[in-house]
Amino acid sequence: DAGITQSPRHKVTETGTPVTLRCHQTENHRYMYWYRQDPGHGLRLIHYSYGVKDTDKGEVSDGYSVSRSKTEDFLLTLESATSSQTSVYFCAMGQGPYSGNTIYFGEGSWLTVV
Amino acid sequence: AQRVTQPEKLLSVFKGAPVELKCNYSYSGSPELFWYVQYSRQRLQLLLRHISRESIKGFTADLNKGETSFHLKKPFAQEEDSAMYYCALSGPNQGGKLIFGQGTELSVKP
Repeated sequence: DAGITQSPRHKVTETGTPVTLRCHQTENHRYMYWYRQDPGHGLRLIHYSYGVKDTDKGEVSDGYSVSRSKTEDFLLTLESATSSQTSVYFCAMGQGPYSGNTIYFGEGSWLTVV
Repeated sequence: AQRVTQPEKLLSVFKGAPVELKCNYSYSGSPELFWYVQYSRQRLQLLLRHISRESIKGFTADLNKGETSFHLKKPFAQEEDSAMYYCALSGPNQGGKLIFGQGTELSVKP
């Protein structure tokens, strides 16, 4: 067990609907991240969190919001889904820059916006 | 700006051949470099960290600050090495963020 899980794993939604992806960790890691994976772009950081209620934008944050009310949960919300947000979303966790910066990934959430 | 470049989208080799996956970076300061591997439709897994200087599954990588590179090498490829490989960068002024390259798909043919 990798200590980090994502839900849902697969979702199909319609354009304009809100979508929330959940990331849950059991390792008490301070840092959590949301990346999206697209062919030709690799992994791009959407948002990340460095503590409860402490979040910051990544390189592709437009159209996404996040919340972290507990150490173990990091939510990613698409307020109004668009077809360009069809992607694979990966959550990750880590102990941060003073502990080696290694991050550990969840299994991914496949989102299709039709 | 901090950047990671993996120039090859696809690298195809035969079993037993040497493999080198290229990674170049741009960073002001002392970077931390990583290689992650993703087998088909699975989660990304850490393969190597430059600071640990270890060999995992026969792979090694050396940080070359002069050439700003962190190429991944293996002397004899195996079919089970077929996967997507990502180079990633972080550092003291990155606030805990990892920046990833575009990835290289390695295909090892029998």
